[in-house]
Amino acid sequence: AQSVSQHNHHVILSEAASLELGCNYSYGGTVNLFWYVQYPGQHLQLLLKYFSGDPLVKGIKGFEAEFIKSKFSFNLRKPSVQWSDTAEYFCAVNVNQAGTALIFGKGTTLSVSS
Amino acid sequence: GAVVSQHPSRVICKSGTSVKIECRSLDFQATTMFWYRQFPKKSLMLMATSNEGSKATYEQGVEKDKFLINHASLTLSTLTVTSAHPEDSSFYICSAIAGVNTGELFFGEGSRLTVL
Repeated sequence: AQSVSQHNHHVILSEAASLELGCNYSYGGTVNLFWYVQYPGQHLQLLLKYFSGDPLVKGIKGFEAEFIKSKFSFNLRKPSVQWSDTAEYFCAVNVNQAGTALIFGKGTTLSVSS
Repeated sequence: GAVVSQHPSRVICKSGTSVKIECRSLDFQATTMFWYRQFPKKSLMLMATSNEGSKATYEQGVEKDKFLINHASLTLSTLTVTSAHPEDSSFYICSAIAGVNTGELFFGEGSRLTVL
């Protein structure tokens, strides 16, 4: 079975600091990888996704993630965070075939102080 | 992108009553939908996979008699929490796959259930 590990439970940064959130998954086959964000009181929003191709994926709001197959990792990065990036971030994976559910990591809470 | 809508967004009920939550795919047909549960400050836990026209597949530890899932059409899946208790209070989120052979899921806004 697949599993997803997010190493950082709570990250606290000042505005303009750089961000990197770790995500590792366990599955031997081909997977799709996702990062979702959940702002306080709101529903999940897709930040970016990786299906195939260029392992460096750019998403919305200046976020990017890099898929490193050899490390089973899909870390999320942003060069300069803003106060409005304060949210819960979830890494998720599903098997690369039709009809499979997403398995989520436990989430990382990002708090950005202005 | 594809739109998934849930109703109601918030529901408060008394202990012992049943509550139905609807999940609709508004601009696409969804053969498969998924129901998740999210506890406060916690990740999303997959409860079940709902397939149109067949019985739902429940994850280990999820009581299928308590959480009844029906997927009667290609645009509607329902989750009924039967004989609700305060411990069933949670945020329930549905998602659907849009299109064939795509791995991307689209999520509903979620439904917050509070059982008194």
